[in-house]
Amino acid sequence: EIVLTQSPDSLAMSLGERATIKCKSSQSLLDSSKKQNSVAWHQQKPGQPPKLLIFWASDRASGVPDRFSGSGSGTDFTLTISSLQAEDVAVYYCQQFHTTPWTFGQGTRVEIK
Amino acid sequence: QMQLVQSGAEVKKPGSSVKVSCKAYGGTFSSYATSWVRQAPGQGLEWMGGIIPIFGAPTYAPRFQGRLTITADESTSTAYMELSGLRSEDTAIYYCARDGALNTWGQGTLVTVSS
Repeated sequence: EIVLTQSPDSLAMSLGERATIKCKSSQSLLDSSKKQNSVAWHQQKPGQPPKLLIFWASDRASGVPDRFSGSGSGTDFTLTISSLQAEDVAVYYCQQFHTTPWTFGQGTRVEIK
Repeated sequence: QMQLVQSGAEVKKPGSSVKVSCKAYGGTFSSYATSWVRQAPGQGLEWMGGIIPIFGAPTYAPRFQGRLTITADESTSTAYMELSGLRSEDTAIYYCARDGALNTWGQGTLVTVSS
């Protein structure tokens, strides 16, 4: 099973600051046939189901603000919120869909300082 | 825009089974994977298994093998998740979600296991 480890577990930033969340995989997530990394990022607000933000490591899902961006390749991935807004308070999860069982990172809680 | 609508909350006794449905509205159902993901109270997300309806054979996470059955009915665009041998640790919100990147999520179904 592929293990995803996120860091940090939580972070508190001021409004307008840049927030960075890292996700490290125990194996490469590069899909050699598609030449893309099988990584997604999801945002979950309290009492709501998760919502897809980023897929294929760096493609923004429809309707997602452009302050959210994803990067990385192989085993190391990053989700960046360029200018933190109040509505971004949530838990963020990375997820791999490279190999079953698909797995998630443990989550990173983002709060406003 | 696809929407996934799940069945309602369930309360079950230990040792019993629960079956949750997930109906797809809009978009293509049969050729995309439908996964089941659960979230215990205050915990993270856990992928349980999934199915691509046109292929039929489901895939299960090893820890659920033998207790989990995932099926799909193409005629009604509905996926099902049945978990047997319920124990208190199975108390969770169960979600269905579409495709590898889980681009669409159902609203969640709370399953409470209590004697």
